Amino acid sequence: EAGVVQSPRYKIIEKKQPVAFWCNPISGHNTLYWYRQNLGQGPELLIRYENEEAVDDSQLPKDRFSAERLKGVDSTLKIQPAELGDSAVYLCASSLLLAGGNEQYFGPGTRLTVT
Amino acid sequence: GQNIDQPTEMTATEGAIVQINCTYQTSGFNGLFWYQQHAGEAPTFLSYNVLDGLEEKGRFSSFLSRSKGYSYLLLKELQMKDSASYLCAVRDYTDKLIFGTGTRLQVFP
Repeated sequence: EAGVVQSPRYKIIEKKQPVAFWCNPISGHNTLYWYRQNLGQGPELLIRYENEEAVDDSQLPKDRFSAERLKGVDSTLKIQPAELGDSAVYLCASSLLLAGGNEQYFGPGTRLTVT
Repeated sequence: GQNIDQPTEMTATEGAIVQINCTYQTSGFNGLFWYQQHAGEAPTFLSYNVLDGLEEKGRFSSFLSRSKGYSYLLLKELQMKDSASYLCAVRDYTDKLIFGTGTRLQVFP
């Protein structure tokens, strides 16, 4: 079974430019998460989807970040315009929302460098 | 507020046993997870505790005390490949995972 797929793996852009990340979750997983991980820190949730609905976007900086999950499968995360402080690894994860320990499966991440 | 504390770094010797502690204060508690993350790679699931006690899975065990807001991850028979960061994460009442900063473990020969 394929894991969570993300692209691109690496992205270098100049500040004020737009950037987009793509995620394909594990087949059948109804819940999808976008996290940001700064160097030496744990992942921080940006947004969580259950199917097509964003159920928690409280930590998404909505002035410059946007996300969508059309048809409840793939998702894209966009930053426009990017700032130097956005340099981080952006992780996508998915899970099957069930009672109990629904572990999250992470993709390899996109390492963003803003210059 | 949400707070998860774990040591920043630990070192150990190949073949030894190491215990990584995690204390937490969160808005509700709905389970505690441990993840392993090698440098430049995605976190991978190690263990899940929701009830007090010890969960054993091969060389790795995880313990939880909800009354003390405390967990530990125990790694036995350490191998060089166990050098990684270990992330403690608590699921709060909204089902959100809150991660600690991670403990970087270095295993020496």
